[in-house]
Amino acid sequence: QVQLVQSGAEVRKPGASVKVSCKTSGYTFTDHYIHWVRQAPGQGLDWMGYVNPNRGDTNYAQKFQGRVTMTRDASISTAYMELNTLISDDTAVYYCVAENWGGFGSWGQGTQVIVSA
Amino acid sequence: QAGLTQPPSMSKDLGQTVTITCTGNSDNVGAQGAAWLQHHQGHSPKLLSNRNNNRPSDITGRFSASRSGNIDSLTITGLQPDDEADYYCSAWDNSLRGWVFGGGTKLTVL
Repeated sequence: QVQLVQSGAEVRKPGASVKVSCKTSGYTFTDHYIHWVRQAPGQGLDWMGYVNPNRGDTNYAQKFQGRVTMTRDASISTAYMELNTLISDDTAVYYCVAENWGGFGSWGQGTQVIVSA
Repeated sequence: QAGLTQPPSMSKDLGQTVTITCTGNSDNVGAQGAAWLQHHQGHSPKLLSNRNNNRPSDITGRFSASRSGNIDSLTITGLQPDDEADYYCSAWDNSLRGWVFGGGTKLTVL
């Protein structure tokens, strides 16, 4: 079955960077875009962008442009999301999602990122 | 980034039917429809219905979606305790060239 397994929780200081990984299995990695969605405490879901696993091209939400980089390593079926210049408002659970079933069909388990001095 | 509009909360009795609405515009819901997600806190969200109002194979027929113009709706029949969750709509926005979410609807089953 389709599985997306993310890296573990991270704690960072303001101004630092964080890189989250998302290892996929159970399907052909290049068949489905990988999106990143986050949820801050008490807030709703927030789409950050996607990476095309086939060609590596990306599309970022405007609010994250210049601060986020999404990449992939197709040889190990893994996608990455790096967020720079962290602020406290970046404290959130970050999810990777495979776009299948005509939507956000398969989700990783989430990675807690805490930004605190 | 402009989002989609959902009622923040709804409550219904066990066994009843609830309909959650998602209001967008001609660039998102009106153009391509909305997908629906169920999110139990502490777990990952789950896709209930895609933009064509089709359910993944593991989703019960108690969940159904429909669209009229710029409004998409999720209907849940025969409410059960486990249906108590947050529900989100999402849609591709042609103007923003990205995905947008609704603010989420917290459903309480009484």
